Amino acid sequence: KQEVTQIPAALSVPEGENLVLNCSFTDSAIYNLQWFRQDPGKGLTSLLLIQSSQREQTSGRLNASLDKSSGRSTLYIAASQPGDSATYLCAVNPKGSSASKIIFGSGTRLSIRP
Amino acid sequence: ETGVTQTPRHLVMGMTNKKSLKCEQHLGHNAMYWYKQSAKKPLELMFVYSLEERVENNSVPSRFSPECPNSSHLFLHLHTLQPEDSALYLCASSQESPPQGSPLHFGNGTRLTVT
Repeated sequence: KQEVTQIPAALSVPEGENLVLNCSFTDSAIYNLQWFRQDPGKGLTSLLLIQSSQREQTSGRLNASLDKSSGRSTLYIAASQPGDSATYLCAVNPKGSSASKIIFGSGTRLSIRP
Repeated sequence: ETGVTQTPRHLVMGMTNKKSLKCEQHLGHNAMYWYKQSAKKPLELMFVYSLEERVENNSVPSRFSPECPNSSHLFLHLHTLQPEDSALYLCASSQESPPQGSPLHFGNGTRLTVT
């Protein structure tokens, strides 16, 4: 059974620092992995999607990597800003599902201190 | 207007009420989803519709009843809910189901409180 874990559950860093968020999954048979951002009381905003054949994706200050063999993904945020404060979730799309059964981690709550 | 729109944003209902949540997507996608997000729990998939046909029902209690009249609209009909059903209900859409290669796009959710 596919499980997705995000550690730590919460992280606080000063503004300007580079940081890495971690995501691990137990079954490497996936179609893709997606990183989302969620602001309090809001829906999820898609940040990056990495197909299983890819190793990384970049968008602005964000870089996501994927290592299927080890069941890991990281989200790298460069030069963090207070506006980056939010909960970051990763989700995997496992192969073999009869329909879309995207599995989410519990998220990392990120706080950037001014 | 673009994206995924959910109404209402907030809903308070008693256990004997009947209400409906609405979701509309303007992305031309052919699959739509209902997710439930409870405090300190991962998102739970409730229902999946592909081309207006329900393809997944994740053991959801019958007091939740989905409806997909066309590929742009999705409803969640609620009746005789329990206080533990209080949560953020999120609608999402994607280009295909299962979305092997396409990202999910989410609405802002409906915050439901059952009293």
